[in-house]
Amino acid sequence: AQTVTQSQPEMSVQEAETVTLSCTYDTSESDYYLFWYKQPPSRQMILVIRQEAYKQQNATENRFSVNFQKAAKSFSLKISDSQLGDAAMYFCAYSGGADGLTFGKGTHLIIQP
Amino acid sequence: GAGVSQSPSNKVTEKGKDVELRCDPISGHTALYWYRQSLGQGLEFLIYFQGNSAPDKSGLPSDRFSAERTGGSVSTLTIQRTQQEDSAVYLCASSLASTGKSYEQYFGPGTRLTVT
Repeated sequence: AQTVTQSQPEMSVQEAETVTLSCTYDTSESDYYLFWYKQPPSRQMILVIRQEAYKQQNATENRFSVNFQKAAKSFSLKISDSQLGDAAMYFCAYSGGADGLTFGKGTHLIIQP
Repeated sequence: GAGVSQSPSNKVTEKGKDVELRCDPISGHTALYWYRQSLGQGLEFLIYFQGNSAPDKSGLPSDRFSAERTGGSVSTLTIQRTQQEDSAVYLCASSLASTGKSYEQYFGPGTRLTVT
């Protein structure tokens, strides 16, 4: 079974600074997808970024980028120029087949003004 | 267009009662997923539908849980004889297809269930 581990229950960063959220996963599959979802207090899960395992190039979406290390099974999220609106729970998720996502426990991101 | 909607937004029920949670996926999305989010267990995948069919029901926590989907659209998650440990937020998501692992899942706002 696949597992996803987020070792940082909570992170705090000053507004406009850069923060990196960690995620590791375990799988025996070679073809899979990884995602970072954001969940603000409204409970709405929002996709931040995704990465295809077969692509070596790290995905980027504006201020959000990932550091995907396939051999190490690591998938960290970097948020540049942090904004107050980035405050939320961030979940790392794995998709390996035609079923549901496997989520990590989440990291609570606090943005200090 | 409209996103995934869920109703009710909040539900308080007494232990032992049955509850029905509803999910309206994005129009045209053939795959639909149910998840449970609780403090103790985090986010757990419960079941998914491809069309009206649920190939694997092993993720449902107990036989008190059932789900159905009709017309390839609306889905209902039913919990019979609710217990306090069923208290959680139940999230629904939909995607264009489930055969492609890359398809983004769009989530609804969830139903917060409280069993007293």
